[in-house]
Amino acid sequence: AQKITQTQPGMFVQEKEAVTLDCTYDTSDPSYGLFWYKQPSSGEMIFLIYQGSYDQQNATEGRYSLNFQKARKSANLVISASQLGDSAMYFCAMREGNYGGSQGNLIFGKGTKLSVKP
Amino acid sequence: DADVTQTPRNRITKTGKRIMLECSQTKGHDRMYWYRQDPGLGLRLIYYSFDVKDINKGEISDGYSVSRQAQAKFSLSLESAIPNQTALYFCATSDQGERGAPNTGELFFGEGSRLTVL
Repeated sequence: AQKITQTQPGMFVQEKEAVTLDCTYDTSDPSYGLFWYKQPSSGEMIFLIYQGSYDQQNATEGRYSLNFQKARKSANLVISASQLGDSAMYFCAMREGNYGGSQGNLIFGKGTKLSVKP
Repeated sequence: DADVTQTPRNRITKTGKRIMLECSQTKGHDRMYWYRQDPGLGLRLIYYSFDVKDINKGEISDGYSVSRQAQAKFSLSLESAIPNQTALYFCATSDQGERGAPNTGELFFGEGSRLTVL
């Protein structure tokens, strides 16, 4: 079974509108971390946002917020006020276990390609 | 200069050739990783290392080997390249996180090495 599932291979959004990118995860470990990365067409991986499994509040970073629903095992990325520069691949990833006690690697989903229309 | 540097950035080679991808980092991190990205498959872990004496196989290590020459250097080798190893390869680092401060375990990526095996 996939540990990270991103069900939207591609999405379109109008410039200045908000968009939600879906991510569900599967783990039996009570301690884990969830990450979103952006990969523009140039190829680099850009860290966007992090949510720890014990964090009480949803993470926010500027126009990015993470809608964390623990019982549903979902960690959707919300981008507000989309910009043309947001067009990219977006990857959801998970680290199982506390960082110090785990091997530290991230398990990635297959990604969602977001296209922002002017 | 990038904190995590990969060389070469692009390489075209022929089946059966030996290829080495090199990674060096100036972040002072202990943990280093090699991932492979294929279209539609996300990123998959090849090898990871916690220090120069600790190297571990990841999800897809067959056909690859690694060397941790120093804390800052982690190289990936394809002893006899084959066409299905054509992919984008990423090196990444993370902090061991034992300095008392909260640590999310974020991975810091190099810019990627695009390998084509003909």
